[in-house]
Amino acid sequence: GAVVSQHPSWVICKSGTSVKIECRSLDFQATTMFWYRQFPKQSLMLMATSNEGSKATYEQGVEKDKFLINHASLTLSTLTVTSAHPEDSSFYICSAPLGSASYNEQFFGPGTRLTVL
Amino acid sequence: GQQVMQIPQYQHVQEGEDFTTYCNSSTTLSNIQWYKQRPGGHPVFLIQLVKSGEVKKQKRLTFQFGEAKKNSSLHITATQTTDVGTYFCAGPWNYGQNFVFGPGTRLSVLP
Repeated sequence: GAVVSQHPSWVICKSGTSVKIECRSLDFQATTMFWYRQFPKQSLMLMATSNEGSKATYEQGVEKDKFLINHASLTLSTLTVTSAHPEDSSFYICSAPLGSASYNEQFFGPGTRLTVL
Repeated sequence: GQQVMQIPQYQHVQEGEDFTTYCNSSTTLSNIQWYKQRPGGHPVFLIQLVKSGEVKKQKRLTFQFGEAKKNSSLHITATQTTDVGTYFCAGPWNYGQNFVFGPGTRLSVLP
């Protein structure tokens, strides 16, 4: 199956700093990638859809200036949490569909656990 | 707005018992997918259902898509401890503009 990687797998940072998370499709190209946030024992909440070569589409309630998304190539999307605060601590997961349709089977990265002190 | 519900939220079963989780949407879906997330892990794709009334089987797992394409179920026969995890339905809600996960059903299997 297709492989999606995420880096880093975990990060601890001080309040007010910015954190960049990378999501890479290793053996396929992804024009679309999804970014999710998951709090403990809860479902995955879609934050935004990352589109290669164009602006990301953010879900309602997600601050685009706080969660910067850049989809610079067909295999890389980055999520930057700017001026992170303790309430931003969460599990961030990216996914990419295999094929051109965004509703195809999703392949997930292993996730990044962010802890903001 | 569109809503998706999954029931039950939690299920504790004895190993060997059967388990079923249900996914219900307020609107018709073009397709629905099921994922499994082990504790501490990431979601892993299980299956996609597209046709009305479709039934698919994977060993002890049986997936069904409702005739109206608004609900789906996942049934596990004779659960094993390896079945522990959270099962999510997911689909192109909001008229296909995004991909959304249901709240999930967390399954515990007691040996």
